[in-house]
Amino acid sequence: DVKVTQSSRYLVKRTGEKVFLECVQDMDHENMFWYRQDPGLGLRLIYFSYDVKMKEKGDIPEGYSVSREKKERFSLILESASTNQTSMYLCASRDPGKNYEQYFGPGTRLTVT
Amino acid sequence: SQKIEQNSEALNIQEGKTATLTCNYTNYSPAYLQWYRQDPGRGPVFLLLIRENEKEKRKERLKVTFDTTLKQSLFHITASQPADSATYLCALGGYSSASKIIFGSGTRLSIRP
Repeated sequence: DVKVTQSSRYLVKRTGEKVFLECVQDMDHENMFWYRQDPGLGLRLIYFSYDVKMKEKGDIPEGYSVSREKKERFSLILESASTNQTSMYLCASRDPGKNYEQYFGPGTRLTVT
Repeated sequence: SQKIEQNSEALNIQEGKTATLTCNYTNYSPAYLQWYRQDPGRGPVFLLLIRENEKEKRKERLKVTFDTTLKQSLFHITASQPADSATYLCALGGYSSASKIIFGSGTRLSIRP
């Protein structure tokens, strides 16, 4: 079974802090994604990476950066957390050769106060 | 801009009936469309993929149709059960690994006994 793990289920940070969200997948998938999910807005793509050290901006990259130094790990960085970044963050990985199925982690609920 | 709309935020169905969920999109020519299920507090789980050249796909009690002329997909759950209660998301994507994926905001389905 594919497993995607995220470093924290719940996180509380203060405005202005630098925040790291870590995601690890164990199935050697090439593609990895970071989304945020807000009520009524659905899943919105922040960044994705189709290969190691490669990254592409999604729909809402402002205020975020990513790092993918190793194939299994994809990190999302909030350079200076703000209250409007309070959200559920979901990481996913994918093998494009298998139905383009994305495997999601359990999510990190981040609260910025 | 690319947009996906899913019918009504919530759908309530009597157990045993067929639930039908709608996904409409604009300004996009997807190579495929996917449906995911999401339970509260969890990441989405892949259910089905249908490609642009396919009209219908079935999996057990699930049936998906895809009309690229109408830019619409219908997702049916036959003989619905309370355990089918969840939020269902549709997603569109392209074949290239670098293609962006967009998700709808989801439809919350409740099956009452």
